[in-house]
Amino acid sequence: EPEVTQTPSHQVTQMGQEVILRCVPISNHLYFYWYRQILGQKVEFLVSFYNNEISEKSEIFDDQFSVERPDGSNFTLKIRSTKLEDSAMYFCASVGGGSYEQYFGPGTRLTVT
Amino acid sequence: GENVEQHPSTLSVQEGDSAVIKCTYSDSASNYFPWYKQELGKRPQLIIDIRSNVGEKKDQRIAVTLNKTAKHFSLHITETQPEDSAVYFCAASTNRDDKIIFGKGTRLHILP
Repeated sequence: EPEVTQTPSHQVTQMGQEVILRCVPISNHLYFYWYRQILGQKVEFLVSFYNNEISEKSEIFDDQFSVERPDGSNFTLKIRSTKLEDSAMYFCASVGGGSYEQYFGPGTRLTVT
Repeated sequence: GENVEQHPSTLSVQEGDSAVIKCTYSDSASNYFPWYKQELGKRPQLIIDIRSNVGEKKDQRIAVTLNKTAKHFSLHITETQPEDSAVYFCAASTNRDDKIIFGKGTRLHILP
C-alpha cells in the first residue's frame, strides 16, 4: 500500500537556524498539508497546498514558514529562523482528488535548542 | 473558526469493558468526522470516519455516532483489549480535501 514518507525522522537545530522538512506524498494525490503537534498536545493545521499554491494557512503559519513543491514528488516545509517554540512533531499529509481521507506521514520530530 | 471539543481527556476502563469518547464541533458546515488513534511517537492513524449523511457507523468493535442537530459525535469501543491503549483524537472537516481540525485527544488506558 502506498504511503506518505517524510525525512528526516528527527532534526535537531539551533535557534535562529533554517530547517527544511521534506515529504513525499502518495504519487497520485493532489492535495497536501502540513500539521504540527507539540508534545502532549493536539494536532494543529498549518497549511494546505493545491495546484502549486497555498489553499489555506493557519495563524501559526506566519512569515517564518514557507512551503514548496519543487518537483513532481517532494513537498517541503521551510522554517526560516527557528524558535524554541517551533519544537514539535511535524506531519505531512496528502489526499487524492474526490476523497476525504488524509494519509499522514510518520512525522519529523524537530528539536530547537 | 471551527473548534472541536473532546472529553474526557483521560479514560481508564477495565479490559473487556466499553469505552466512550465524546466530541462536539462548532461549525455547522462540518460534514466529515474522522477518528484517529495515535500511539506514542507515531502518526495519527485513521480508525473510523463518518459523514454527515449517516447517523451511525460500525466496524467490528468500533462504532461512531453523529448527531448533526446537536453537533455531537461519539466513539464507542466495545470489548476493550490492552492494544486499545493509546491517545484517540476526534476531528472535523467542512469539505472534501479541506483541513482537518482535531480535538485535544483522550488518553485511553485499558486496565488488566
